[in-house]
Amino acid sequence: NAGVTQTPKFQVLKTGQSMTLQCAQDMNHEYMSWYRQDPGMGLRLIHYSVGAGITDQGEVPNGYNVSRSTTEDFPLRLLSAAPSQTSVYFCASSYSRRGPQETQYFGPGTRLLVL
Amino acid sequence: AQSVTQLGSHVSVSEGALVLLRCNYSSSVPPYLFWYVQYPNQGLQLLLKYTSAATLVKGINGFEAEFKKSETSFHLTKPSAHMSDAAEYFCAVSGTSGSRLTFGEGTQLTVNP
Repeated sequence: NAGVTQTPKFQVLKTGQSMTLQCAQDMNHEYMSWYRQDPGMGLRLIHYSVGAGITDQGEVPNGYNVSRSTTEDFPLRLLSAAPSQTSVYFCASSYSRRGPQETQYFGPGTRLLVL
Repeated sequence: AQSVTQLGSHVSVSEGALVLLRCNYSSSVPPYLFWYVQYPNQGLQLLLKYTSAATLVKGINGFEAEFKKSETSFHLTKPSAHMSDAAEYFCAVSGTSGSRLTFGEGTQLTVNP
């Protein structure tokens, strides 16, 4: 298994540009989520999904959109990039049907710089 | 609601010394607690987790943590630090809102030779 994969690894954007961060998992996990990591703030939940066709907002959803058309993929879209969205983005997945005690598996991250 | 507080954003120890990283939680339901480790420029890797089966939890790389309900704590320990333990450590809680994880701010562990 490849686990959780993310592309790209690094991206530079100009303010106002849009882009999509890709996330895929091959473990047949129902639950997928996106976090952003900023120094001194830990990881904060942006959006999450408990299954195909179902998404919901996390702690910091503004400026981001998601969709879940398949179990495997969970892309994160930045609609109009702002410097405040400069961060490291992590995707994670788990077996949600087994409950909140299940381990979440993280991808390697995408470093985003917005100029 | 659920939250996590990690005491100490930076901890420095000597090689061979005890490692103690502190985590306190708040949860309106019985919590599930996790410790993750992040090595430089990598994703997060699970060290150990508490799922109510046993209060003392053993994880990978010689780490363990004890769940203390009375103190709302889940501190991470390792008897003897190794240079390879240098990393950032995150405590996290779930349970209030399904699988949603709430993370602490993280503790950067430095191991001095």
